[in-house]
Amino acid sequence: QSVLTQPPSASGTPGQRVTISCSGSSSNIGSNYVYWYQQLPGTAPKLLIYRNNQRPSGVPDRFSGSKSGTSASLAISGLRSEDEADYYCAAWDDSLSGNWVFGGGTKLTVL
Amino acid sequence: QVQLQESGPGLVKPSQTLSLTCTVSGGSISSGGYYWSWIRQHPGKGLEWIGYIYYSGSTYYNPSLKSRVTISVDTSKNQFSLKLSSVTAADTAVYYCARAGAIAAAGSDAFDIWGQGTMVTVSS
Repeated sequence: QSVLTQPPSASGTPGQRVTISCSGSSSNIGSNYVYWYQQLPGTAPKLLIYRNNQRPSGVPDRFSGSKSGTSASLAISGLRSEDEADYYCAAWDDSLSGNWVFGGGTKLTVL
Repeated sequence: QVQLQESGPGLVKPSQTLSLTCTVSGGSISSGGYYWSWIRQHPGKGLEWIGYIYYSGSTYYNPSLKSRVTISVDTSKNQFSLKLSSVTAADTAVYYCARAGAIAAAGSDAFDIWGQGTMVTVSS
């Protein structure tokens, strides 16, 4: 059971806009930055969004992140077939002595 | 640009110690500004942070694994290492090393560079 809650799956057709949610608590998302990672099949995760809504260089502006309270969202507009991947949210959790926590991942299918 | 590469045995017997090394190229661990991390992914599952180390040797571990984990750094070789003791089948996973930016806030910044990962199976 992951500390951050994501839907296990999402889907969309090419060109559509898809959002993936990530729900946490006051000790993680509520008080710290949220990060998003994309994992293509058989590869290592890749940083997609940092500090809630910042894109690293090279990440298309089709990808955007937002945060409100103890929840966060990743939006992908103009969906492409190459966006089919697993997406993970992550945040630092202040409970106990501190710990990085991840969502369980969302498998995005481009129909 | 900075690249990370994991190395170590792909098969470990139960109750033994899993040992992995991450070699950093294209940049120096001693430069500071980053935490050097270990993250694992059980087959078909999500990501689990194991811990990280700063070049100075300061370490931070996942509380659920802390009693079995040791992360160390060798700046002369530009490497950092993971030791996980008393392994069981539940420790079978792909192990990634990654770099995370150091920030003034709690924790660290993003895991921005990852190694390709290495599969470790715990089995007799």
